[in-house]
Amino acid sequence: AQTVTQSQPEMSVQEAETVTLSCTYDTSESDYYLFWYKQPPSRQMILVIRQEAYKQQNATENRFSVNFQKAAKSFSLKISDSQLGDAAMYFCAYEIQGAQKLVFGQGTRLTINP
Amino acid sequence: EPEVTQTPSHQVTQMGQEVILRCVPISNHLYFYWYRQILGQKVEFLVSFYNNEISEKSEIFDDQFSVERPDGSNFTLKIRSTKLEDSAMYFCARSGRGMLDTQYFGPGTRLTVL
Repeated sequence: AQTVTQSQPEMSVQEAETVTLSCTYDTSESDYYLFWYKQPPSRQMILVIRQEAYKQQNATENRFSVNFQKAAKSFSLKISDSQLGDAAMYFCAYEIQGAQKLVFGQGTRLTINP
Repeated sequence: EPEVTQTPSHQVTQMGQEVILRCVPISNHLYFYWYRQILGQKVEFLVSFYNNEISEKSEIFDDQFSVERPDGSNFTLKIRSTKLEDSAMYFCARSGRGMLDTQYFGPGTRLTVL
């Protein structure tokens, strides 16, 4: 079965500090994309960052970066200089080429302490 | 890139009633998806739709559900006879250029079945 596991139901961090959210996944496919989505209290799903599995270089988007370990099937999200607006649920997801669907993890609720 | 809009933002219905949720693309997108999120749970894939046909569906998407694009613009999800357990957020997503193009989500419709 294709699964995504986020082992941290909740995380908290002090404002301006760095936090890392964990994600592991299970697939036998070699071509896939990985994503982190943010869901604030409004419940809208907002794309944070995306990583192509064939790329060795880790994706970065401003304060957000990933640590992609393909052999370990690990895809963690690092948020630097945390801001109050980063408080949200964060979902890890992947999409296998040709599958036309995202498979999501259970999410990690991130709290930012002022 | 712009996402899609969804109407209504909140729908309350009685068990056994039919509901239609609408997704309005902002530009000419090719691929559409429906996902649902029961409160407090992960986001689950329902169905993907390409070129006016279902291309992939999950085990959740049974005969109670149907999708169509009746006027070539709006993309609808119909739930024929709602059950209490259908209460959830329903998200429409779109991608534009290919099967592995990033999926961007609409704001969601909150469905409450009484």
